[in-house]
Amino acid sequence: DQQVKQNSPSLSVQEGRISILNCDYTNSMFDYFLWYKKYPAEGPTFLISISSIKDKNEDGRFTVFLNKSAKHLSLHIVPSQPGDSAVYFCAAIYFYGNKLVFGAGTILRVKS
Amino acid sequence: DAGITQSPRHKVTETGTPVTLRCHQTENHRYMYWYRQDPGHGLRLIHYSYGVKDTDKGEVSDGYSVSRSKTEDFLLTLESATSSQTSVYFCAIRGGTGKTDTEAFFGQGTRLTVV
Repeated sequence: DQQVKQNSPSLSVQEGRISILNCDYTNSMFDYFLWYKKYPAEGPTFLISISSIKDKNEDGRFTVFLNKSAKHLSLHIVPSQPGDSAVYFCAAIYFYGNKLVFGAGTILRVKS
Repeated sequence: DAGITQSPRHKVTETGTPVTLRCHQTENHRYMYWYRQDPGHGLRLIHYSYGVKDTDKGEVSDGYSVSRSKTEDFLLTLESATSSQTSVYFCAIRGGTGKTDTEAFFGQGTRLTVV
């Protein structure tokens, strides 16, 4: 039973516009949420994270929003660039259990 | 780049044979994880370790075992490989101090094909 869900398999966005990637979770005991980016034939790389006690975190073009009541988080990329084209994974850490679990990923394509 | 290496990077094996994948880190991180990546399923947790000789099951642990006899090495063993275990396997490490306590670093992956 997947505790972290990314229901959109893919997203296509025009260069310069905003990309919004969504993630839902079921376990209210998650302490931290993370976003990872993955290019083909490479390991995932860390992008940005947010603590469960916050509702927003920004890092340059990337902003993550957390809505605990809805058990939903989103990653905003503004402006989107062709180099952002990759698979994006949402992940969550359950500190009590030490587990780090991932969603199924969303393929982002940024068209120039 | 975090000091994490996986070996081998590619392997083809026959059904029914045992296979061991190795993850080696030089960061002295506490947590180590094994994932498999399959189309439509993303990264699924197989097993993880929270210290030497301390391991636990993940979401898809059937058919896999792990061992961690020292901090730097985390081994994943397929006791009797099956075609359903054909996948790309990733190792990750986490848990230094401060900021790196939440951020996990991944290896380059091992592509395993069971024929």
